[in-house]
Amino acid sequence: NAGVTQTPKFQVLKTGQSMTLQCAQDMNHNSMYWYRQDPGMGLRLIYYSASEGTTDKGEVPNGYNVSRLNKREFSLRLESAAPSQTSVYFCASTRERGNNQPQHFGDGTRLSIL
Amino acid sequence: GEDVEQSLFLSVREGDSSVINCTYTDSSSTYLYWYKQEPGAGLQLLTYIFSNMDMKQDQRLTVLLNKKDKHLSLRIADTQTGDSAIYFCAEMKAAGNKLTFGGGTRVLVKP
Repeated sequence: NAGVTQTPKFQVLKTGQSMTLQCAQDMNHNSMYWYRQDPGMGLRLIYYSASEGTTDKGEVPNGYNVSRLNKREFSLRLESAAPSQTSVYFCASTRERGNNQPQHFGDGTRLSIL
Repeated sequence: GEDVEQSLFLSVREGDSSVINCTYTDSSSTYLYWYKQEPGAGLQLLTYIFSNMDMKQDQRLTVLLNKKDKHLSLRIADTQTGDSAIYFCAEMKAAGNKLTFGGGTRVLVKP
């Protein structure tokens, strides 16, 4: 049971390059999320998708775009990478909207922008 | 997340109890969560508590919630070296489906 799978695990980019981070879940979850993790700041929500076909901005959406390709996959795109986007990116999913639905996390993508 | 605050670091001796504290600001929060992150890994849900509860115990873990002071704590009994990790508290606001995380507490267990 793979759960939430993120690819790639590591990536180094030059400023201005574009990149798509992939996320897939095999739990038939409806809601999916993208977070970034920076030291001492916990996780901040970038975008989320409450269900297939919908996406919404989170706390820090600037510089990112997302696509909910189908129920399983939710990708995060950096069109023109900036050093401030150096971070660890986590994808998460949950069965449905609701307060008691725990989020399941992938192992993260470590992204460095030079 | 500025709405949820945690201390940065906790050092504890193996076999002792650990207490990790968290404060939050939104009185409408419905669920509060504790996640564990080991090096190089994602976040693993440890436990959660509904806002109308004061305490929840799950094996070595005890969660205490003081709604009046908006204070949440996680107690780990008989702390083991495998408990060394970063622990995040998170709140789910009344609107649902979005979590706000604290900055994480790094717990170091010394033999």
